[in-house]
Amino acid sequence: AQSVAQPEDQVNVAEGNPLTVKCTYSVSGNPYLFWYVQYPNRGLQFLLKYITGDNLVKGSYGFEAEFNKSQTAFHLKKPSALVSDSALYFCAVRGISGYSTLTFGKGTMLLVSP
Amino acid sequence: NAGVTQTPKFRVLKTGQSMTLLCAQDMNHEYMYWYRQDPGMGLRLIHYSVGEGTTAKGEVPDGYNVSRLKKQNFLLGLESAAPSQTSVYFCASSYSFLVGANVLTFGAGSRLTVL
Repeated sequence: AQSVAQPEDQVNVAEGNPLTVKCTYSVSGNPYLFWYVQYPNRGLQFLLKYITGDNLVKGSYGFEAEFNKSQTAFHLKKPSALVSDSALYFCAVRGISGYSTLTFGKGTMLLVSP
Repeated sequence: NAGVTQTPKFRVLKTGQSMTLLCAQDMNHEYMYWYRQDPGMGLRLIHYSVGEGTTAKGEVPDGYNVSRLKKQNFLLGLESAAPSQTSVYFCASSYSFLVGANVLTFGAGSRLTVL
């Protein structure tokens, strides 16, 4: 069975500082990895994905994520946080075989203070 | 673009009542999904559909039924609501599935409270 762990319920960072939201995964074979963001009272929005190729993936709103196969990690990063980045972030994984569906982590709340 | 539209946005039910949540997408997506979101649990897949006329069980299907009679619509039914089904329900759709790059487009959610 595939699974995702987001070890932090909440991450606090000051505006202008770099941010990292952690994600580790478990899946049979090679993974497809995703990050989604949820703003208050909204549905989830796609940020970025890793399918294959470069381990550093760039996405929307200046976010990026690094795929680390040896550590089974896919941490979300941004060099300089904005107050508007405050939201709930979900990591998700699926396998490459057949009709494999996405499994989401529990989510990490990111709070960026002015 | 409307994208994925869910109705209703809010609903309060009494235990034992039935209801249907409607999801409509205008992107000609083949695949559709119903998730529930609970605090500390993340999103869990209830049912999904890989095309018109098809449905499949997800991680937490018990107590729910679904139908996909038209490609653009995916209905989630609760035959006899229970307090444990109090949750926020999200519908999603995607164009691609098998190629592994199935980016999901989500609706705004439907908040259901069962008393």
